[in-house]
Amino acid sequence: GAVVSQHPSWVICKSGTSVKIECRSLDFQATTMFWYRQFPKQSLMLMATSNEGSKATYEQGVEKDKFLINHASLTLSTLTVTSAHPEDSSFYICSASGQTNYGYTFGSGTRLTVV
Amino acid sequence: LAKTTQPISMDSYEGQEVNITCSHNNIATNDYITWYQQFPSQGPRFIIQGYKTKVTNEVASLFIPADRKSSTLSLPRVSLSDTAVYYCLVGAIYNQGGKLIFGQGTELSVKP
Repeated sequence: GAVVSQHPSWVICKSGTSVKIECRSLDFQATTMFWYRQFPKQSLMLMATSNEGSKATYEQGVEKDKFLINHASLTLSTLTVTSAHPEDSSFYICSASGQTNYGYTFGSGTRLTVV
Repeated sequence: LAKTTQPISMDSYEGQEVNITCSHNNIATNDYITWYQQFPSQGPRFIIQGYKTKVTNEVASLFIPADRKSSTLSLPRVSLSDTAVYYCLVGAIYNQGGKLIFGQGTELSVKP
């Protein structure tokens, strides 16, 4: 139980384009979802917290107009990287919390490469 | 949010018991301690969670002293596949939706 599916697992896009990453809780209702970014050899950095039906709360230093987060339902949150640049290349990971016995469940991550 | 401190790296050999200690001096009364494992290019995987004393599951044990200012993750008889980064996190329990802040983690290397 408590499975979080993240899609795509990897994506390559051209500089200036936008990329959408989906995070779905498959067998539980995720009242809160989190988005993290991880650079090579570094820890996960929390970008934002989203609650279903409300605006996301962004961590200090994270551009909300660049990283658009939507949490329209209890099972789906999306992260859109707008006007991507090479420095946005990173590993993006979502996490969901809900009424489960498995703590916070993480997705498998999305490797974004901007060329 | 309580800050955590862990060793940056540890080395071990197959079959040994590995203990990773995490310091969290500012832990709050309603905070739980959770450990995650992460392999390269994968999301973190839940290992174990506890509040006090000792918790054991099929993969690990978690020891928490009475003052809760530290915790120790114990991995019995590690194998090569246990090579990963281990994160200690402190925060509100899962159903309160509190955000989890990751520290630097401990990179465990298991050698044959």
